[in-house]
Amino acid sequence: NAGVTQTPKFQVLKTGQSMTLQCAQDMNHEYMSWYRQDPGMGLRLIHYSVGAGITDQGEVPNGYNVSRSTTEDFPLRLLSAAPSQTSVYFCASSSTATQYFGPGTRLLVL
Amino acid sequence: AQSVTQPDIHITVSEGASLELRCNYSYGATPYLFWYVQSPGQGLQLLLKYFSGDTLVQGIKGFEAEFKRSQSSFNLRKPSVHWSDAAEYFCAVGGGSNFGNEKLTFGTGTRLTIIP
Repeated sequence: NAGVTQTPKFQVLKTGQSMTLQCAQDMNHEYMSWYRQDPGMGLRLIHYSVGAGITDQGEVPNGYNVSRSTTEDFPLRLLSAAPSQTSVYFCASSSTATQYFGPGTRLLVL
Repeated sequence: AQSVTQPDIHITVSEGASLELRCNYSYGATPYLFWYVQSPGQGLQLLLKYFSGDTLVQGIKGFEAEFKRSQSSFNLRKPSVHWSDAAEYFCAVGGGSNFGNEKLTFGTGTRLTIIP
């Protein structure tokens, strides 16, 4: 049981490039979320999903897309990377009452 | 809109001393409240949670938190800290159908330093 896994661990992008951050969970959780963590700002919700085929926006969704075709996977897509998207990204999945976080992806946009 | 305030950015405590980290929340209904801990370079780990019932909740690693509705607070406490408690601590409030778990709002965190 690996829990929540995220790939890659670290990525450098140039402005304008696109990429997908991968997130997978093997706990059969219906609920999954993406957060970004920036110094002094805590974690902010980007997008979340309450089940396969159902997604919704969080607090800071601009510049990001998500889809949820399976229960296990919840990828986050950066359409055209900007320096403001330099951050650490965390994926989480949740069962009733407990949210489990992945180890994070550190993204640097030049 | 829901929000969380952690007024202390950084706290330094001697090993063996008691600890209290402050958290104030704003939420329109009965809140679901959480404390998470993050060690350097790691993800977040749930310390404890409050949904209803007893206002004093016990968590892992010897932590506890008290929900005070009249003060909109959910402060985290530990009677005697250990050097391994050095980390960043986040308070969060939840909203949504799954006990708030899919839409957490986090505070900005409190960094805890332990001195020998």
